[in-house]
Amino acid sequence: TQLLEQSPQFLSIQEGENLTVYCNSSSVFSSLQWYRQEPGEGPVLLVTVVTGGEVKKLKRLTFQFGDARKDSSLHITAAQPGDTGLYLCAYMGANFGNEKLTFGTGTRLTIIP
Amino acid sequence: GAVVSQHPSRVICKSGTSVKIECRSLDFQATTMFWYRQFPKQSLMLMATSNEGSKATYEQGVEKDKFLINHASLTLSTLTVTSAHPEDSSFYICSAQLATETQYFGPGTRLLVL
Repeated sequence: TQLLEQSPQFLSIQEGENLTVYCNSSSVFSSLQWYRQEPGEGPVLLVTVVTGGEVKKLKRLTFQFGDARKDSSLHITAAQPGDTGLYLCAYMGANFGNEKLTFGTGTRLTIIP
Repeated sequence: GAVVSQHPSRVICKSGTSVKIECRSLDFQATTMFWYRQFPKQSLMLMATSNEGSKATYEQGVEKDKFLINHASLTLSTLTVTSAHPEDSSFYICSAQLATETQYFGPGTRLLVL
């Protein structure tokens, strides 16, 4: 099982600020996914990045897949309280014919109004 | 989007009792469902893969006799925590696979064992 390390583990910033969180590994992935999980809920898929160097935007969220497909970053512009949550990166790996998701260690983001 | 439900959302039980958690795909059929466990302030850890009509596949370190999984239909998988102990207290989340690389997650079940 390849390890996905996310940093920082915790981040608390003021509303309106920008931030970047990271997902790093020593392994190469065919794709990475980003999820957001709010307290007491299941995670929700935000995006899947597939191509090395790929950049995807989702409103104020910008996702980038590293050129070598070993890492990814999530940048949030002008953070809002609604962005608060646990951000998880994940990769899909083969599991006896099924696709098994392995999650990163997570970044817990708090946006202070 | 595809909807996955879990029941109950919260459960409190006494140590030594068994608890059943249901995971349903409401608007699609899922031959494969997954069960995850999440301890406070931690990430999700896969416990087992549930395949309709066959035995579940458990991750290393997960006791199959303690966490019984049944996937009797294409829309329902159940996880039974047998002889629950306080250390089993956790947030249990299921997901259902709609297509390759696409899983939809349930809202989770918070289990507290006293």
